[in-house]
Amino acid sequence: LAKTTQPISMDSYEGQEVNITCSHNNIATNDYITWYQQFPSQGPRFIIQGYKTKVKNEVASLFIPADRKSSTLSLPRVSLSDTAVYYCLPPRSSNTGKLIFGQGTTLQVKP
Amino acid sequence: DSGVTQTPKHLITATGQRVTLRCSPRSGDLSVYWYQQSLDQGLQFLIQYYNGEERAKGNILERFSAQQFPDLHSELNLSSLELGDSALYFCASTPTGTGNTEAFFGQGTRLTVV
Repeated sequence: LAKTTQPISMDSYEGQEVNITCSHNNIATNDYITWYQQFPSQGPRFIIQGYKTKVKNEVASLFIPADRKSSTLSLPRVSLSDTAVYYCLPPRSSNTGKLIFGQGTTLQVKP
Repeated sequence: DSGVTQTPKHLITATGQRVTLRCSPRSGDLSVYWYQQSLDQGLQFLIQYYNGEERAKGNILERFSAQQFPDLHSELNLSSLELGDSALYFCASTPTGTGNTEAFFGQGTRLTVV
């Protein structure tokens, strides 16, 4: 099962744009790239999923380069309530049924 | 509200005991996943069921077992409990057996072993 690499932690300030990049070298043709958000003592929440180029929803944007070996989650104008752990799921997990969560990126938003 | 229901929300039990955690998936979802999250640790994938059958297995201890019933609810059984089993246990559901769709998580069961 392919692993992902993302920063362990990031700090930001309110109102800033935050970009979290995840590398997933071993990605197959039919794999999707999926990101989740988790607040303390709560279950993870799906943020966004994409296959290529750019995907955007009301919460975030996901940028995927042509080689698809990495992806960048972009959170516009973060607030204190965006402090959470953000997980990039290994693409292979989408086809094996194993939704594997790595260590994620702990984002701390400061006032 | 994710639509996934986990009971109980909290559980305190003694070492050596056995407990059962219950998960009701979203209406129509066929797949259920179980996870363990210890304090300040990541989510450890335990096991997945799809339409009553075991589909994928993670780092699930032999003392732990699970099943999915015909009505699609699932139970996670934890036996011979140890202090280290204290954790949050989450279940999630998806419509299909793959992860190419959004997974919805329950609020978790907090297990404390004393």
